[in-house]
Amino acid sequence: AQSVTQLDSQVPVFEEAPVELRCNYSSSVSVYLFWYVQYPNQGLQLLLKYLSGSTLVKGINGFEAEFNKSQTSFHLRKPSVHISDTAEYFCAVSERNNDMRFGAGTRLTVKP
Amino acid sequence: DAMVIQNPRYQVTQFGKPVTLSCSQTLNHNVMYWYQQKSSQAPKLLFHYYDKDFNNEADTPDNFQSRRPNTSFCFLDIRSPGLGDAAMYLCATSSAPGGPRYTQYFGPGTRLTVL
Repeated sequence: AQSVTQLDSQVPVFEEAPVELRCNYSSSVSVYLFWYVQYPNQGLQLLLKYLSGSTLVKGINGFEAEFNKSQTSFHLRKPSVHISDTAEYFCAVSERNNDMRFGAGTRLTVKP
Repeated sequence: DAMVIQNPRYQVTQFGKPVTLSCSQTLNHNVMYWYQQKSSQAPKLLFHYYDKDFNNEADTPDNFQSRRPNTSFCFLDIRSPGLGDAAMYLCATSSAPGGPRYTQYFGPGTRLTVL
């Protein structure tokens, strides 16, 4: 069964700095990969997803992620963060025809 | 806009008093999911419906039940809420249970408080 590890529980950064949120997964078969963002007291919003094709995936709000099969990683990046990006970010993985499994989440705090 | 709607957004119940949470969707998706998310934790899948077929996760307590009367609506029933059931409950939908069309879309959640 698939599993997901988000390597950092909290990431503090200053406004306009670049950020990378790390995600590694474990699976013996092909997978689909997702990043979701959750603002306080709200549901999860899909940022981006990798299903197949190009390994660099662009999402909403200026985020992008790169699928690296050899390193089993799907790290999320943004070149310049805003205060409004402060939120919880969840990486998730799904094996073909299996339910999604979430990582424990990374709390991104953007400071002025 | 097509969306996933959850009512109420905040629910307060008493210990042991049954409570029902509601989810509706305008996406016409075949699959509906219920997740439990406790503070600072990842969402945990409780069960899902694929059309009318109910799929329970092995570790979901019997205290949690679900109903899906039609494609648009799905309910989460907690028969006897305990203090440990206080959490955010998230509803999600997808057009398929897997495969290339598989992406889950989430509602805003219902925060349940148990007194």
